[in-house]
Amino acid sequence: SQQGEEDPQALSIQEGENATMNCSYKTSINNLQWYRQNSGRGLVHLILIRSNEREKHSGRLRVTLDTSKKSSSLLITASRAADTASYFCATTNDYKLSFGAGTTVTVRA
Amino acid sequence: DVKVTQSSRYLVKRTGEKVFLECVQDMDHENMFWYRQDPGLGLRLIYFSYDVKMKEKGDIPEGYSVSREKKERFSLILESASTNQTSMYLCASSLRGLTRNTIYFGEGSWLTVV
Repeated sequence: SQQGEEDPQALSIQEGENATMNCSYKTSINNLQWYRQNSGRGLVHLILIRSNEREKHSGRLRVTLDTSKKSSSLLITASRAADTASYFCATTNDYKLSFGAGTTVTVRA
Repeated sequence: DVKVTQSSRYLVKRTGEKVFLECVQDMDHENMFWYRQDPGLGLRLIYFSYDVKMKEKGDIPEGYSVSREKKERFSLILESASTNQTSMYLCASSLRGLTRNTIYFGEGSWLTVV
C-alpha cells in the first residue's frame, strides 16, 4: 500500500526557477526521506528528516515536515537541467519504507 | 561508497519460465529489499530480509519468492513468470534500523515477460 502521495504528479519549470513538491502520508512515521530517480536508473537518497524535526537543508534542497498535517515539502532552489528527474517521498515505520508514486520534474533550459 | 549491484539490467523471459534476479551489496548491510516499480504506482515492496535466511513479505509477495543464503546476496525468484510481472525491479539495502539509516538502491532490472 502506498503511504506517501506526491503532488503535483508532474512539474515543468525554467532553469533557475524554484521547484516545490509536496508529499502527504497517512499514518504516523519515524522519519521521512526524499529520493531522486533519473530516467531508467535506481533511486538516490537526497535527504532524511526525522519526525521531531521541522525543517532541514542540504545544498539547494530544503525539506519541511508538518506531522500535524501529515505532510512534507521538498524545495529545489535555482533549478538546473540536471535536476530533471522523478522525486519520491518515502516514509519509514519500523521495518518498512513506503514510497509514493513520485513527482516528475522537467527543467527547461 | 555503498554499492548495490543487480546482475541483469535487461531480461526478456517467456511466460511460465523460472526467473532469478540477483542482488549483491558490499557494505555488510543487514537489511535487503526487493521492490517493483510500475508507472503511476511508485515502488511497491515485494519482500525484505533483515538477516541471513530471514525473510518477510512486503505488500505484493504473490508470485514471488526470495532467498538469502549469504549476507551480501538477496535473490528474487519468479517461480512461473507471467506477463503481469513485466516491470522494473529494484534491489536495495540498509543497515539495521530504518528509522535512522538510508536505503541504497541498485540500478534496477527491467524484466519483460512475453
